Amino acid sequence: GAVVSQHPSWVICKSGTSVKIECRSLDFQATTMFWYRQFPKQSLMLMATSNEGSKATYEQGVEKDKFLINHASLTLSTLTVTSAHPEDSSFYICSAKDRGPLEQYFGPGTRLTVT
Amino acid sequence: AQSVTQPDIHITVSEGASLELRCNYSYGATPYLFWYVQSPGQGLQLLLKYFSGDTLVQGIKGFEAEFKRSQSSFNLRKPSVHWSDAAEYFCAVGARGGADGLTFGKGTHLIIQP
Repeated sequence: GAVVSQHPSWVICKSGTSVKIECRSLDFQATTMFWYRQFPKQSLMLMATSNEGSKATYEQGVEKDKFLINHASLTLSTLTVTSAHPEDSSFYICSAKDRGPLEQYFGPGTRLTVT
Repeated sequence: AQSVTQPDIHITVSEGASLELRCNYSYGATPYLFWYVQSPGQGLQLLLKYFSGDTLVQGIKGFEAEFKRSQSSFNLRKPSVHWSDAAEYFCAVGARGGADGLTFGKGTHLIIQP
């Protein structure tokens, strides 16, 4: 149980285009989802927290107009990187939790390369 | 704000030898502590977690960790490493009962010598 999927697993896009990444909880209802970013050989940095039906809360320094997060249902959150640039190339990982357990369940990650 | 320090960027251990990865945290209240492992290009796998109770926690793959409040530490140990343990290891702290995102350390890269 407690499986989180991400789609796509990797994506290449051209500079200036937008890319949408999906995060799904497959066997539980995720009241809260988190989006992290990981640069090569570095740690994970929390970007934002989204609660179902509410606006996402962004960490300091994260551009909310660039990284659009939607948590429209209890099993799906999306991250859209708008007008992507090469510096947005990174590994994006989501996690999800429901009301009960304290533990977050991580997705496998999405590698974004902007050319 | 909470923070996590993993003082060792790289550690090299011979196969079959014991392992200890260090983790120190800074948090004003009761921390929720985690160790994750990440293989190249992969997501995170939870090794073990500490929420409360017994300060020595057992995890998967033969790993264990000990929470020491007086030292603000949560070191990861394994009595005998295998070549398949080579990976990146992250210590993380969570707050407010898990309602917030996690704060991760910078990670320790474990290399296994044959």
